[in-house]
Amino acid sequence: DGGITQSPKYLFRKEGQNVTLSCEQNLNHDAMYWYRQDPGQGLRLIYYSQIVNDFQKGDIAEGYSVSREKKESFPLTVTSAQKNPTAFYLCASSWGGNQPQHFGDGTRLSIL
Amino acid sequence: QKEVEQNSGPLSVPEGAIASLNCTYSDRGSQSFFWYRQYSGKSPELIMSIYSNGDKEDGRFTAQLNKASQYVSLLIRDSQPSDSATYLCAAFPFTSNTGKLIFGQGTTLQVKP
Repeated sequence: DGGITQSPKYLFRKEGQNVTLSCEQNLNHDAMYWYRQDPGQGLRLIYYSQIVNDFQKGDIAEGYSVSREKKESFPLTVTSAQKNPTAFYLCASSWGGNQPQHFGDGTRLSIL
Repeated sequence: QKEVEQNSGPLSVPEGAIASLNCTYSDRGSQSFFWYRQYSGKSPELIMSIYSNGDKEDGRFTAQLNKASQYVSLLIRDSQPSDSATYLCAAFPFTSNTGKLIFGQGTTLQVKP
């Protein structure tokens, strides 16, 4: 089945630790995105990538980093510099341009 | 700042009624519009896309676009309790060549049996 796979589903971070959230898609989409959603809030764009080996900061990139070494993969690292990382993290992909984005099932990150 | 505005609700309708969800956008040149449904604790799911003025129907859902009024709506006919969710409106600003969607904050719909 084609789709977007995010892992893990739940993740706990200790103080001072970096953690990496995985996002893999087999839709052959060019563009990939990371969003953060806080309880009762809308989606906020963290990073996005339109092509391999290139990515841009979104609206709330501080404390996060990404890489795009393969078309199908766009991992997000939540660094220790992100002081309030507890949120629901959503990965999305699309053909780019004005095409719709499709979302993975998300990863819930909490602080231990 | 390009914006998409939605009433946060909750919008409460009885089962079997028509639910009407509305969205306005600030970028007059926006070309593409999408409605997503998000159940509590789940990720958003694309339910409708609309690119030109008028109505687009898909089953019980109808999306309506009025570019002159910068207004997009989603009608859900014969509403069911399973339609209870948050509905996100999204638009592509005209100036965007990045694939960046602008999302509204969402409208929560409650369908009461």
